[in-house]
Amino acid sequence: QQQVKQSPQSLIVQKGGISIINCAYENTAFDYFPWYQQFPGKGPALLIAIRPDVSEKKEGRFTISFNKSAKQFSLHIMDSQPGDSATYFCAASGMGGSQGNLIFGKGTKLSVKP
Amino acid sequence: KAGVTQTPRYLIKTRGQQVTLSCSPISGHRSVSWYQQTPGQGLQFLFEYFSETQRNKGNFPGRFSGRQFSNSRSEMNVSTLELGDSALYLCASSWDKRSGEQYFGPGTRLTVT
Repeated sequence: QQQVKQSPQSLIVQKGGISIINCAYENTAFDYFPWYQQFPGKGPALLIAIRPDVSEKKEGRFTISFNKSAKQFSLHIMDSQPGDSATYFCAASGMGGSQGNLIFGKGTKLSVKP
Repeated sequence: KAGVTQTPRYLIKTRGQQVTLSCSPISGHRSVSWYQQTPGQGLQFLFEYFSETQRNKGNFPGRFSGRQFSNSRSEMNVSTLELGDSALYLCASSWDKRSGEQYFGPGTRLTVT
């Protein structure tokens, strides 16, 4: 019940295309869903986050879509660029994220081809 | 503002030894969380400290411990190191109880031989 399942494991997208990464969760107590981007040798960087009171959140080229009834959420990267090539992690936590214990998906390695 | 800093960045230890890792959160952040990242298990939550108190603990053996000081800086300790403890140890800090936004440091790469 504590798992967050992320797919696909790896993704290759052409420059200018749309990258879509999906996550699913079981624990209905989760109410905070962030996405992180990690480059080799670096720590994860917070990209965007959503709470279940909204179905979509957009920041620049990054959009989170959230489906509470299906217990799924996804990250869309519009106009993907080679600089977006990184590993992306979805995560979830309860208590609005205030308790510090993020449960992470296994990650998706994105490669954007020029 | 300076980001989360972690020291040392790289560490090589021998099985059976102990190690202490340090984390300085973003100025003003009172919550510090620690995570272990390995290729096989991914990112796993170790523990979280808020105002010098451990508020949450993940499913790790008692060999893993931590503490937080009055200036919010945190340390984690691993005793009796095992080969499987080789990992990237990440520290994350957050502003307050409401935002939930955690900001990660670059990590400490621990290799146990």
